[in-house]
Amino acid sequence: DAGITQSPRHKVTETGTPVTLRCHQTENHRYMYWYRQDPGHGLRLIHYSYGVKDTDKGEVSDGYSVSRSKTEDFLLTLESATSSQTSVYFCAISSGTGAYEQYFGPGTRLTVT
Amino acid sequence: DQQVKQNSPSLSVQEGRISILNCDYTNSMFDYFLWYKKYPAEGPTFLISISSIKDKNEDGRFTVFLNKSAKHLSLHIVPSQPGDSAVYFCAVHGSNYKLTFGKGTLLTVNP
Repeated sequence: DAGITQSPRHKVTETGTPVTLRCHQTENHRYMYWYRQDPGHGLRLIHYSYGVKDTDKGEVSDGYSVSRSKTEDFLLTLESATSSQTSVYFCAISSGTGAYEQYFGPGTRLTVT
Repeated sequence: DQQVKQNSPSLSVQEGRISILNCDYTNSMFDYFLWYKKYPAEGPTFLISISSIKDKNEDGRFTVFLNKSAKHLSLHIVPSQPGDSAVYFCAVHGSNYKLTFGKGTLLTVNP
């Protein structure tokens, strides 16, 4: 299994508060991704990173920001959480070779009340 | 517009029989096609992939077929086992090292 951890695994927060989710990898992969999974929507890309300090938006990036100051860490921040951001968040990594397959972390369940 | 469609939200099969999961895509420029499996409360797990220059790839009980003229991808699981019960996502790679996922199909294999 790829070495990917996410923290926290579960979080409950109130509307309007900032929240930061962390993804940590031990594979030294160049590419890192944040997805959200919601019923009826599958996996949707929020932001991704193609190197340290190099990031770009995905299809559902509004309300989210990311940072990558080290190869191994990719942070997702909800500046002011809303109830629509209640979801399960997955981090993924890829070496960018082969079939471009990505390996996923265990997920963070976030509830915004 | 959905670039990747999994039109069956769920599928139920008997243990030992074949499971066929389907996926349609819109863009003929996709170069790789992938299948993932997801159990509840876990992250998706990469299963198998196929290049656009091939029409079949096999790995044990799992075979992926690609029909480029129909823009159709399928995953065959033979024989199906109860442990195969999960949500299956198809995904495509187009550019920039990003994958686009379908909405998933819940497979239930009954003993």
